[in-house]
Amino acid sequence: DQQVKQNSPSLSVQEGRISILNCDYTNSMFDYFLWYKKYPAEGPTFLISISSIKDKNEDGRFTVFLNKSAKHLSLHIVPSQPGDSAVYFCAASAGRNYGGSQGNLIFGKGTKLSVKP
Amino acid sequence: DAGVTQSPTHLIKTRGQQVTLRCSPKSGHDTVSWYQQALGQGPQFIFQYYEEEERQRGNFPDRFSGHQFPNYSSELNVNALLLGDSALYLCASSRLGADTQYFGPGTRLTVL
Repeated sequence: DQQVKQNSPSLSVQEGRISILNCDYTNSMFDYFLWYKKYPAEGPTFLISISSIKDKNEDGRFTVFLNKSAKHLSLHIVPSQPGDSAVYFCAASAGRNYGGSQGNLIFGKGTKLSVKP
Repeated sequence: DAGVTQSPTHLIKTRGQQVTLRCSPKSGHDTVSWYQQALGQGPQFIFQYYEEEERQRGNFPDRFSGHQFPNYSSELNVNALLLGDSALYLCASSRLGADTQYFGPGTRLTVL
């Protein structure tokens, strides 16, 4: 049973417009959420994260929103650029309950974003 | 500042063989986690090492074992390889108490 779900396998957006990537989770023990970007033949690159005590975190063009009651988070990219084309993974952890560094990161299956010029 | 490095990049083995994959963490990091990413899937947690001890383990059989050295580098060993072990193996490092794991480029293992 998937604890982290990314229901859209792919998303196509025009350059300059907003990209919205969605993620749903089922485990209410998750207290930290991350987004990673992955290019082919490379490892995932950390993008942005959010703690469960917040509902929004912003870093440049990237904003992550967390709706705990709906167990839903989203990543907004504004404006989208062709270099943003990659697979985006949502990940969650209950690591803070282990009193230290995040342990088991649970990943979704990813959403492939294509930004067209 | 070197990031997480992994070796080898690619590896081809046959069923029943054993394989060792290596990882050097990012400078300043003391915790290493290993993940398996099958085609079309997200990474799946195998285990995590801190202070040369396995700290947490995911749902993987005992054929998967690991080691962490005093310099924080780590090895992943897989015995009795199966066709289903073909995947991208990712190493991630972090500092104990930090919130984010940083990934290496991965080792692509193909089992024939």
